[in-house]
Amino acid sequence: DTGVSQNPRHKITKRGQNVTFRCDPISEHNRLYWYRQTLGQGPEFLTYFQNEAQLEKSRLLSDRFSAERPKGSFSTLEIQRTEQGDSAMYLCASSFVNSPLHFGNGTRLTVT
Amino acid sequence: RKEVEQDPGPFNVPEGATVAFNCTYSNSASQSFFWYRQDCRKEPKLLMSVYSSGNEDGRFTAQLNRASQYISLLIRDSKLSDSATYLCVVGFWTSNTGKLIFGQGTTLQVKP
Repeated sequence: DTGVSQNPRHKITKRGQNVTFRCDPISEHNRLYWYRQTLGQGPEFLTYFQNEAQLEKSRLLSDRFSAERPKGSFSTLEIQRTEQGDSAMYLCASSFVNSPLHFGNGTRLTVT
Repeated sequence: RKEVEQDPGPFNVPEGATVAFNCTYSNSASQSFFWYRQDCRKEPKLLMSVYSSGNEDGRFTAQLNRASQYISLLIRDSKLSDSATYLCVVGFWTSNTGKLIFGQGTTLQVKP
């Protein structure tokens, strides 16, 4: 399977806990994106990388959120001190430069 | 004002009907345009790119009006399997940045 892979598929955590999600992009793609989607809304841009460089971060990405892409391969998205408002689907996508995005299945986060 | 706006619907149509969705965007410098399809609790998938001259893919026709900053999607001879949420997506690229902005999505329900 050469698609975008995300782990875990589901995560339930208690408020105040830290969580980390992983994304493995399509290997040939040099861009990797993180989006967040809540019910009834379209995906909201969070951040993206070109190779290992994080080129842009949304204002939605508060200090509690951090993303990394070491060596330009897989990426991790960490949320510290989770809040109930963080409950959402977190989508990872990859692409070539200036090309459509290919999404992974997403990680559904529930903060109780 | 949202960067990409869509009527969320839902659009309820009978099988065989023709249905059209519109989408407006605010950034006149936007360069890339796409329609994505998203099934319930699944990731978005690319339906088609939208070109300035308009383009067709089977029963689907996409058009772009740069002067009025809107994009349209026409679905002819609707099938039950077309039931989904259709996301309008607009891209803006520079030499060192680029992201795709998603609309809220328009829900289509095709009924027998």
